[in-house]
Amino acid sequence: EVQLVESGGGLVRPGGSLRLSCAASGFTLSGVWMHWVRQAPGKGLVWVSRINSDGSRTVYADSVKGRFTISRDNARNTLYLQMNSLRDEDTAVYYCARRDWFDLWGQGTLVTVSS
Amino acid sequence: QSALTQPASVSGSPGQSITISCTGTSSDVGSYNLVSWYQHHPGNAPKLMIYEVTKWPSGVSTRFSGSKSGNTASLTISGLQAEDEADYYCSSYAGSDTFVFGGGTKLTVL
Repeated sequence: EVQLVESGGGLVRPGGSLRLSCAASGFTLSGVWMHWVRQAPGKGLVWVSRINSDGSRTVYADSVKGRFTISRDNARNTLYLQMNSLRDEDTAVYYCARRDWFDLWGQGTLVTVSS
Repeated sequence: QSALTQPASVSGSPGQSITISCTGTSSDVGSYNLVSWYQHHPGNAPKLMIYEVTKWPSGVSTRFSGSKSGNTASLTISGLQAEDEADYYCSSYAGSDTFVFGGGTKLTVL
C-alpha cells in the first residue's frame, strides 16, 4: 500500500527539541520532492517546509526559519523534520506530504509545546 | 506568506452544487497554475481533489471541478452528497519554492 506514516510527536517544553519522521512505503522516496505541513488546533493547514529529491535544496516558512531543519534519508525511505527552540505556537498536528501538489499525505503526528 | 482567503463555511442540500472560492494575490494564485484543492475529514489524512487548477487525480469524482480567474481560484462540487461534508483547503505555489494554503472552508450538507 502506498502510504506515509509520521512519528515522533509528543509533549515538549518551550525551548525544547523534537525530531519528526515520515516513513514512506509502497513507493520510492528518492526522486520525489517532499513537504511538511502543520495544523494547529482548530486552525487551517499551514505549509512549513519543502525539500528537493536529493536533499540539496530546502526552503522554510518564515515562522520556522532558523529553528526547523528538513532532511531526508532516501536509503531509509524516510523524511525528517528537526524542530528546535520550540514555542507554544508550534503546537500542531504535523503532516508530511508528497510532491508539489501534495498528492499523498500521512495521518499526522501531534506536537504539543507546553510547560 | 499570508494565507489564501476562503469563506469559513458553505452549505448546500443533497444534489445541489456549491462553489468555494480561494483568493490570493498576483504573487501566488494569479501568477501560477499550481492551485490544488484538498478534502479533509478531521482525524484523517487530507485528500487531494484537484491539482494544477483543473486536473483530477486518479480516483477522484468528476463532480469536483476547479477553475481560476485572476487571483481567485474556485472549487465546484456538483450533485452534493452527504459524504462530501468535510473541510476543504486550497493551496498555491507562491514563488521562491514556497507554498501557501487557504484558511479552510467547512462544507455542511444540509
